Amino acid sequence: QSALTQPPSVSAAPGQRVTISCSGSSSNIGRNHVCWYQQFPGMAPKLLIYDSNKGFSVISERFSGSKSGTSATLTITGLQTGDEADYYCAAWDSSLSVTMFGGGTKLTVL
Amino acid sequence: QVQLVESGGGVVQPGRSLRLSCATSGFTFNRNAMHWVRQAPGKGLEWVAVTSYDGSNQYYADSLKGRFTISRDNSKNTLHLQMNSLRIEDTAVYYCAKDLANSGSVEYWGQGTLVIVSS
Repeated sequence: QSALTQPPSVSAAPGQRVTISCSGSSSNIGRNHVCWYQQFPGMAPKLLIYDSNKGFSVISERFSGSKSGTSATLTITGLQTGDEADYYCAAWDSSLSVTMFGGGTKLTVL
Repeated sequence: QVQLVESGGGVVQPGRSLRLSCATSGFTFNRNAMHWVRQAPGKGLEWVAVTSYDGSNQYYADSLKGRFTISRDNSKNTLHLQMNSLRIEDTAVYYCAKDLANSGSVEYWGQGTLVIVSS
C-alpha cells in the first residue's frame, strides 16, 4: 500500500501563496474525496479541508482545496508564520479498502 | 464537543502485547466508523485500521494484518486496539480518530498515546 505522494517540503515568504500537491490513483483520489490535515510539532493533526474543497469548522478562508483527476492541491494564501506546520492529504482507497495518507509536507514560511 | 481520549500506551518489550483504549464523548458513537492512526517519532501519519459504526466490518493496513485487532464497545462508547507480537518498529504515537460521515476519512483526532517497544 503506497502512500499518496506529496512533496517533502515547500517554502514561501510571508504574505505569499503556496500550493501543496497530492498525487494518487484512480482507486483513491480519482474515486473519493480528499482531506487535508495540519499538524504542529507535538500536537495531534487537525482537519482543514474535507470533501476535497470544503473548509472544516472555523478554518481560515486562506486555506482552500481542489481536486482534478487523481491529484489534489492545498492552497494557502496570505502566508503567516503561524502556518508553519506539516500538512497531510488523505483519501479512502476503494480497491484496497484502506485509508491512504500522503507522506506529509513541511511548510516553512521564510 | 467531540472528545477522544486514548489510554493504555507505555513501554513494552518486543513480542509482548498491549491493548489501547479510546473513550469517546460528544457525538453518537454507534453511528460513526472509527480509526486508529499512528505516527512513529519524526515520521508521517500511518493509517492502522478502521471499524464500521456497528463493528461488523474491520479493515487493516496490510503490514499490520494478523497482529493488530480493532474493536469497539458501543454500549460504552469505547474503541480498542489489541496489538500482539509487538516489534521495535511499532513504536509510535497512536491516535484514535472519528470518521467523517462514514467516508473513510478522519474528522476528529484524539491527543494520542505513546507506545514504546523496547527491550
